[in-house]
Formats: sequence, structure tokens, C-alpha cells
Amino acid sequence: GQQVMQIPQYQHVQEGEDFTTYCNSSTTLSNIQWYKQRPGGHPVFLIQLVKSGEVKKQKRLTFQFGEAKKNSSLHITATQTTDVGTYFCAGVGSSNTGKLIFGQGTTLQVKP
Amino acid sequence: SAVISQKPSRDICQRGTSLTIQCQVDSQVTMMFWYRQQPGQSLTLIATANQGSEATYESGFVIDKFPISRPNLTFSTLTVSNMSPEDSSIYLCSVEAGNVPYEQYFGPGTRLTVT
Repeated sequence: GQQVMQIPQYQHVQEGEDFTTYCNSSTTLSNIQWYKQRPGGHPVFLIQLVKSGEVKKQKRLTFQFGEAKKNSSLHITATQTTDVGTYFCAGVGSSNTGKLIFGQGTTLQVKP
Repeated sequence: SAVISQKPSRDICQRGTSLTIQCQVDSQVTMMFWYRQQPGQSLTLIATANQGSEATYESGFVIDKFPISRPNLTFSTLTVSNMSPEDSSIYLCSVEAGNVPYEQYFGPGTRLTVT
């Protein structure tokens, strides 16, 4: 079945350093979404990418969707302690059933 | 957007018993989803519940173990039947809502511990 792989599993950074998490799908995706889950919380939608090669920015966060629509990345510039949490990518397959296939997540720890 | 509540927020249950988790949404939604998330792990989709039809279960999940009801457009229940310690997990419901297609809003989750 369709799988979405995400790396790294954990990342510890010093506040102010950059952070990147990568997501790869075994099949072409119709779109990809990113969610953030704070410790003890539930996933919260961040953004959706639909077009091949699309790049979107939200303040210090930059999201990219690969040309082949099989990979994506989230880059955070100059991390802050408020960025702590687990970041999940979630792919929607080409069948467009609405089902999300979640990656394993990357847990970000930021040392002040 | 959608505001979702879940009951109970947590429970400790004995092996062999069943627990029904409720999910209430503040607006009418077509698609509702039930996920399981073990501590420190990703989300695994259990089933999709659309009002007026039988729930669609993912591979590895069966109706006898996880019966789902969807009586109307704002409410759903998931029952975890004949529980074992392996069922200890966080169970989350989510709905499609918002301006972005397939964007999902999640409930706060139900933390289940089976002893």
C-alpha cells in the first residue's frame, strides 16, 4: 500500500538554528499537507501543497513540494522554543478519497 | 473550521471490557475519521465514517473490534471492544472542514490505558 516516509525521526537544535524535515511517498500524491502536534496536543493543520514544485512560506516556515509530487520538505529558519513539537506530513493519494497517509513525524526539540 | 470535542478524555479499562468514545462536532460535516496514535508514534487511520453509510475500515482494523456509529452529521462513536493491553493508545477523531480540500481538524483525543 501507499507509504509516506519522513526523516529524521528526532532533531535537537539550539535556538536560532535552522531545521528541516523531509517526506517521501512511495507513489505520486495529489497533494501533501503538513501538521504540527505540540506535546500533549492534537495535530493542527499548517498548510497544503498541490502543485508540482510548489513553494509556500509562512513566516519562518518554508514548505516545498517536489517536481514529481512524491516528496516534500518543511524548513524552519532560526528556530524558536515555540517551534517545539512533532511535525507530520500527510499525503493524499491520487484516488482523492480524502484519506490522509501520515508520515512518521519529526519531533523537534529546541534548546534555549 | 470546526471545533471537536471527545469524551472521555482518558480512561483506564480492564482487559476484556469495551469502551465507547464519543466525538461531537460543532458543525455538520460529511466525512469523519477515526485514528489511533500510540505514544510517540504517528497516526494510523482506523476507519472513515460517513453519515448514512457503513464505515470503511483500513487494513488491520475490523468492525467487530472497532464498531463505529455515525447517526448524524455532527456526531460519531468508536467502540473499542474486548480490549487488551495492546489497545492502549490515544484515539482521535477528525473531520474534513475548512477552506482547504481534505484539511482535517482533530479532536483532543481519548487516552486509553488497558490493564
